[in-house]
Amino acid sequence: EPEVTQTPSHQVTQMGQEVILRCVPISNHLYFYWYRQILGQKVEFLVSFYNNEISEKSEIFDDQFSVERPDGSNFTLKIRSTKLEDSAMYFCASSERSGRSSYEQYFGPGTRLTVT
Amino acid sequence: QKEVEQNSGPLSVPEGAIASLNCTYSDRGSQSFFWYRQYSGKSPELIMFIYSNGDKEDGRFTAQLNKASQYVSLLIRDSQPSDSATYLCAVVFTGNQFYFGTGTSLTVIP
Repeated sequence: EPEVTQTPSHQVTQMGQEVILRCVPISNHLYFYWYRQILGQKVEFLVSFYNNEISEKSEIFDDQFSVERPDGSNFTLKIRSTKLEDSAMYFCASSERSGRSSYEQYFGPGTRLTVT
Repeated sequence: QKEVEQNSGPLSVPEGAIASLNCTYSDRGSQSFFWYRQYSGKSPELIMFIYSNGDKEDGRFTAQLNKASQYVSLLIRDSQPSDSATYLCAVVFTGNQFYFGTGTSLTVIP
């Protein structure tokens, strides 16, 4: 069964450093998303991406964050100048299409980011 | 303000019983509702989605939606110890943006 994959599974970085989290969405999916979950808290939407551009973003997704689809398979989240409060699990998700009948989003296993 | 509310639990049910999980949401115009299961340290796993008022059944799971009351629920019949997890309610208010509740922790006691 097709699934979303993410690398690395765990990333440790020092405060102020840049990190890139990578995702490979399900192959026939067209919509891609990033979420984060701080330990013990709810899953929070960061950004959605379609047709090589951001379609929606939350208040969390400020200038520190960027997303890119560098090739036909990868979808990346870059966090510039990481802060301690960026420590969280980051989930990538994808959906086949948008519209009322196909919002179903499938999540990858996540990347645990630890900022020290 | 877009809010999705769930009782955090923990909810404990004996094996074989029905577990009932509830969720309310703030925006009457919401059209799409999802239930995800999340095991500790793992990613959310889609269980059910429902778009129309009424009941939707899939195996041991039934999702119920009442848009007038802004209420969606998940029933798990014949609960099994493997159903022990946190259940997340997600609502689409506009566009594709999911809003998640904090989740209800379910424990099924053998």
